Amino acid sequence: ETGVTQSPTHLIKTRGQQVTLRCSSQSGHNTVSWYQQALGQGPQFIFQYYREEENGRGNFPPRFSGLQFPNYSSELNVNALELDDSALYLCASSSTDSPNTEAFFGQGTRLTVV
Amino acid sequence: AQSVTQLGSHVSVSEGALVLLRCNYSSSVPPYLFWYVQYPNQGLQLLLKYTTGATLVKGINGFEAEFKKSETSFHLTKPSAHMSDAAEYFCAVRSIQGAQKLVFGQGTRLTINP
Repeated sequence: ETGVTQSPTHLIKTRGQQVTLRCSSQSGHNTVSWYQQALGQGPQFIFQYYREEENGRGNFPPRFSGLQFPNYSSELNVNALELDDSALYLCASSSTDSPNTEAFFGQGTRLTVV
Repeated sequence: AQSVTQLGSHVSVSEGALVLLRCNYSSSVPPYLFWYVQYPNQGLQLLLKYTTGATLVKGINGFEAEFKKSETSFHLTKPSAHMSDAAEYFCAVRSIQGAQKLVFGQGTRLTINP
């Protein structure tokens, strides 16, 4: 079991609403990445945060935004929710101090948009 | 741009049989390579990784993979399947430099027959 925790575990929202997902990174890790995993698909990179700034972004619209806090925890915010945003959202933490180490994933937040 | 192709979205083997899950990647620079496993309604757990050095890497639960640069492959094997190996398996690639972004394949669902 990793030290990466995500909350909430499950969430149901209505189309057009906004949602905030939270992630606490593993101790000693300074980088947080977010991924979207649609049903039956591999995870897709949303963005990454390092030193509280976005450090790389995937092919996701601006309504997907994030924050990283001084304690390296992170939030993923999604505005104007669409039905296709229904997915498992995974947070992963890693360390730039050891670039050849792996990312550790949380259990994910299952978002359902109705 | 990097990409990963996993050949076979579903693989079914008998308990005790060899497990072979195929992964080919495309990358303009030498990558790091990973295999992750995902059990139902859970996050991703690292099985093994290749960064540098020996091209045959051993991971947890008896799995191993061999990096073949000439074939741009990183196939996952296990000599003898157990019922507990039933899960979804993802191959991923990451650049050595830049953002620690993982690019995943579509996944292979492994079923073990008694």
